[in-house]
Amino acid sequence: KAGVTQTPRYLIKTRGQQVTLSCSPISGHRSVSWYQQTPGQGLQFLFEYFSETQRNKGNFPGRFSGRQFSNSRSEMNVSTLELGDSALYLCASSLVAGLNEKLFFGSGTQLSVL
Amino acid sequence: AQSVTQPDIHITVSEGASLELRCNYSYGATPYLFWYVQSPGQGLQLLLKYFSGDTLVQGIKGFEAEFKRSQSSFNLRKPSVHWSDAAEYFCAVSTGGGNKLTFGTGTQLKVEL
Repeated sequence: KAGVTQTPRYLIKTRGQQVTLSCSPISGHRSVSWYQQTPGQGLQFLFEYFSETQRNKGNFPGRFSGRQFSNSRSEMNVSTLELGDSALYLCASSLVAGLNEKLFFGSGTQLSVL
Repeated sequence: AQSVTQPDIHITVSEGASLELRCNYSYGATPYLFWYVQSPGQGLQLLLKYFSGDTLVQGIKGFEAEFKRSQSSFNLRKPSVHWSDAAEYFCAVSTGGGNKLTFGTGTQLKVEL
């Protein structure tokens, strides 16, 4: 069974641009979560989607948004990029959304904002 | 709000030695606790989790963790470390419903041969 697939693997953008990251969960998984990882702030929860509905949202500005499609694939979008948005963005999937679910993480998209 | 503290940023152990990585959490009720490992350039892999029952939890790759409510701790242990265990280890707590995890800052493990 294929794992969680994130594309692209690396991305370079300039300040003010917008970017869209993609995540394909493990087949059969309906929950997708997104995390931002930086050396300074560590791993921070962005949002979670289940059955195309946002269930949880972290403490990030409105420039960060996401969505989930009927096939459970998810995208996250960051508009008006800032230097501080440079980070590894990790996507995780699980069968359902619950407190005890095992999350399967992708290898991430490394975003560099110049 | 819940929080997770991993006091050790870096730890170095010799191959074959025992390992203990510390994790303390702050949360009023019984938390759901996890340990994840991240190898360079990779995503995170679940080692083990605790949500109720036996306070000693067995995980993959020979790891175990013990939940101690009185100390608000969930320390990760391994009796004999292998060079391939070199990675970054994250303790996490789930309290917000769904799959929202709060992670600690991580402990970077180096294994000397």
